[in-house]
Amino acid sequence: AQSVTQLGSHVSVSEGALVLLRCNYSSSVPPYLFWYVQYPNQGLQLLLKYTTGATLVKGINGFEAEFKKSETSFHLTKPSAHMSDAAEYFCAVSGLYNNNDMRFGAGTRLTVKP
Amino acid sequence: KAGVTQTPRYLIKTRGQQVTLSCSPISGHRSVSWYQQTPGQGLQFLFEYFSETQRNKGNFPGRFSGRQFSNSRSEMNVSTLELGDSALYLCASSLVGSTDTQYFGPGTRLTVL
Repeated sequence: AQSVTQLGSHVSVSEGALVLLRCNYSSSVPPYLFWYVQYPNQGLQLLLKYTTGATLVKGINGFEAEFKKSETSFHLTKPSAHMSDAAEYFCAVSGLYNNNDMRFGAGTRLTVKP
Repeated sequence: KAGVTQTPRYLIKTRGQQVTLSCSPISGHRSVSWYQQTPGQGLQFLFEYFSETQRNKGNFPGRFSGRQFSNSRSEMNVSTLELGDSALYLCASSLVGSTDTQYFGPGTRLTVL
């Protein structure tokens, strides 16, 4: 069974519009949750992470995500999309099976239209 | 502080050959993880090393192996290459493991002909 589900392999928004990328995980125990971004021909860069504490996590480049235990979700949002946000975004979870096994979602490609 | 470096960046091999990829972690990081990224399977965890010991291994055949040296540099080896091994291989380092922030290298693009 897949540990991380990203709803929507492609999301397209207009510049200035809200960005919402969805991520759900399957676990009865709150894991560690991450969002990474990948630009073409590059490795992954951490946007933000949730470990414990405040459920609203703020990351780089204006992104934030909210951990909702009741919904097992960790959706990524940004109030106003910029052209430079066009990239592939990955939700990831670790600590489900053991602390050293990170599982990634399938990724969501974000397109920003002018 | 220098980031994670991977060498080579691009590699072309033929079926049946073997290949060794190298990863130099950020200074002070003791955990190195390897991932395979393909369009069909996405990002898949290969294995993780910490202080020269393999702590965890993903669901890959024994043709995929790795090691870590005392300076935390890591290598992964793929023997008897198959066409399906064509992928971007990413290395990530962190202080303690995957529950910590992982810093990724740019990857090695392996093409098997």
